[in-house]
Amino acid sequence: QSVLTQPPSVSGAPGQRVTISCTGTSSNIGAGYDVHWYQQLPGTAPKFLIYDNSNRPSGVPDRFSGSKSGTSASLAITGLQAEDEADYYCQSYDSRLGGSVFGGGTKLTVL
Amino acid sequence: QVQLQESGPGLVKSSETLSLTCTVSGVSIIRTNFYWGWVRQSPEKGLEWIGTIYYSGTTYYNPSLKSRLSMSVDTSKNQFSLKLTSVTAADAAVYYCVRPRISAYGGGGFDPWGQGNLVTVSS
Repeated sequence: QSVLTQPPSVSGAPGQRVTISCTGTSSNIGAGYDVHWYQQLPGTAPKFLIYDNSNRPSGVPDRFSGSKSGTSASLAITGLQAEDEADYYCQSYDSRLGGSVFGGGTKLTVL
Repeated sequence: QVQLQESGPGLVKSSETLSLTCTVSGVSIIRTNFYWGWVRQSPEKGLEWIGTIYYSGTTYYNPSLKSRLSMSVDTSKNQFSLKLTSVTAADAAVYYCVRPRISAYGGGGFDPWGQGNLVTVSS
């Protein structure tokens, strides 16, 4: 059971928009700690995708965007492409546990 | 750019000590304000932050692993290492070395990641 809750799977057709939620509590996201997102392609290490809720590292397409409100955060992907098929993870800090925590991951399927 | 590469045994016996090393390239490990850390991933527990170390030797451990964990830095080799004692099947995972971007606890996220070192625990 991960500290941050994500839907196990989402899907969308090429060109569509999908969102992935990340729900936390008052000791992590709700306490104001930033949320970061990662993309993990099959057989590879996670790749840094979004930092500090809504910022994209250099090289990440602007089709990827993030937001945060209250105890939740969201990752949105527009103009879905086949190469977006991957697992996506959120991460934040939890003051009660005293360290970084991750979501359980969401598998994105491009139909 | 910063690159990380894990090395170590892929098989550890139950109750023994797991030892892994991460070699840093592209930057000096003693660069000010750079932290270095470990994250593991297993099907059972998902992604789990293990701990972080600063080149000075200051460490920040996941409280759930603190009693079995030690981390160290070898500045002459530009490497940092992890030792986890008394391993059980629950410690089987892919171990990644990472760079916490802003703070020791992963503030700002982790970037980059090494390619990962699969560790299996045998009985």
